[in-house]
Amino acid sequence: GQSLEQPSEVTAVEGAIVQINCTYQTSGFYGLSWYQQHDGGAPTFLSYNALDGLEETGRFSSFLSRSDSYGYLLLQELQMKDSASYFCAVSPRTGGFKTIFGAGTRLFVKA
Amino acid sequence: NAGVTQTPKFQVLKTGQSMTLQCAQDMNHEYMSWYRQDPGMGLRLIHYSVGAGITDQGEVPNGYNVSRSTTEDFPLRLLSAAPSQTSVYFCASSYSGPLQGPYNSPLHFGNGTRLTVT
Repeated sequence: GQSLEQPSEVTAVEGAIVQINCTYQTSGFYGLSWYQQHDGGAPTFLSYNALDGLEETGRFSSFLSRSDSYGYLLLQELQMKDSASYFCAVSPRTGGFKTIFGAGTRLFVKA
Repeated sequence: NAGVTQTPKFQVLKTGQSMTLQCAQDMNHEYMSWYRQDPGMGLRLIHYSVGAGITDQGEVPNGYNVSRSTTEDFPLRLLSAAPSQTSVYFCASSYSGPLQGPYNSPLHFGNGTRLTVT
């Protein structure tokens, strides 16, 4: 089977940098994705890592290390609007065409 | 483009009632899926479809049926509602889903249906 572990909550200050970790146990997957969800809203896609290493998209970066079964989302220059839940997700190579999500990390950005 | 449209936005059912949650997308996406979201449990996959006429089970399929007669529509049917099905339901689509393998095909989510079963 597969499971993804994320911290349930993270708090950071406006303007700071925060890292949200995702550790996983899965036999193999295509890539690691990150989604953002504001309260009452729909999840929206942020970033995808097919290969090991860092992917940068503006203030957001995502990292994957398959050898360490680990990835993270890095948010820089935090803004109040970044307060949201963040989910990591994988699509396993076996067991059908599924995208499996972690339980999510709630980010609180303080002034 | 409207993207992914879900109806209704809110619904209250009594135990044992049946209903259909509607999902439509206008992006010509082959892959569609249904998730439920409960507090502290993230998004759990109920059913998915890789194209018209093809559906398969996700992580939590019991109590739900789906069909895919057209590329655009992917309704979710609750056969006999139970309080355990109280949740927020999201429909999501992507150009090809995990069919692309290592190539990214992100999921586009609808705005959700908030279902309460009493």
